[in-house]
Amino acid sequence: EVQLVESGGGLVQPGGSLRLSCAASGFTFSSYAMHWVRQAPGKGLEYVSAISSNGGSTYYADSVKGRFTISRDNSKNTLYLQMGSLRAEDMAVYYCARELSGYDSWGQGTLVTVSS
Amino acid sequence: AIRMTQSPSSFSASTGDRVTITCRASQGISSYLAWYQQKPGKAPKLLIYAASTLQSGVPSRFSGSGSGTDFTLTISCLQSEDFATYYCQQYYSYPYSFGQGTKLEIK
Repeated sequence: EVQLVESGGGLVQPGGSLRLSCAASGFTFSSYAMHWVRQAPGKGLEYVSAISSNGGSTYYADSVKGRFTISRDNSKNTLYLQMGSLRAEDMAVYYCARELSGYDSWGQGTLVTVSS
Repeated sequence: AIRMTQSPSSFSASTGDRVTITCRASQGISSYLAWYQQKPGKAPKLLIYAASTLQSGVPSRFSGSGSGTDFTLTISCLQSEDFATYYCQQYYSYPYSFGQGTKLEIK
């Protein structure tokens, strides 16, 4: 069974940093591109970032470019999102998702709260 | 970036109704379109990919159609468990983008 489990969310002050992790199991992690998607409270889904299966290519939404860094460790079956210079508008539930003709598997999400 | 526009944003329907949600892309995306269902407090669930292919385990009352810029999601006979928010998404080019969502409520 495919499982994606996010962790690392929490309360952070504006301008602060946080690193999210997504632990994958039940499939060959190194064969799939992986993504981060977020959802602000009461809002819709927003694409954040993506990384190719071998980590050689990365993609970012304009809203996070230069502040967030996506990475992966295929030996640990783990996806990461390093978030910096956090703003109030970054507050959201962050989901990791596996790409397979869209996103066929999602984690349960981890909440990031940006507040002083 | 490709903009995805869904309509309506919300509407009310009754169990047993046939409902259609539309999604328009700001440029052609061939058939690289997915539909998701999301219930409160839960992660989205993939319903349809490649515009019209039903994801494994999804009931056959869900169907999708379209290509290029115009797409539809149809639920042929609404069940109580179908009241949720639905999103379309293009995966033709980065950044992959979502529609704003359609909230389906009980009349």
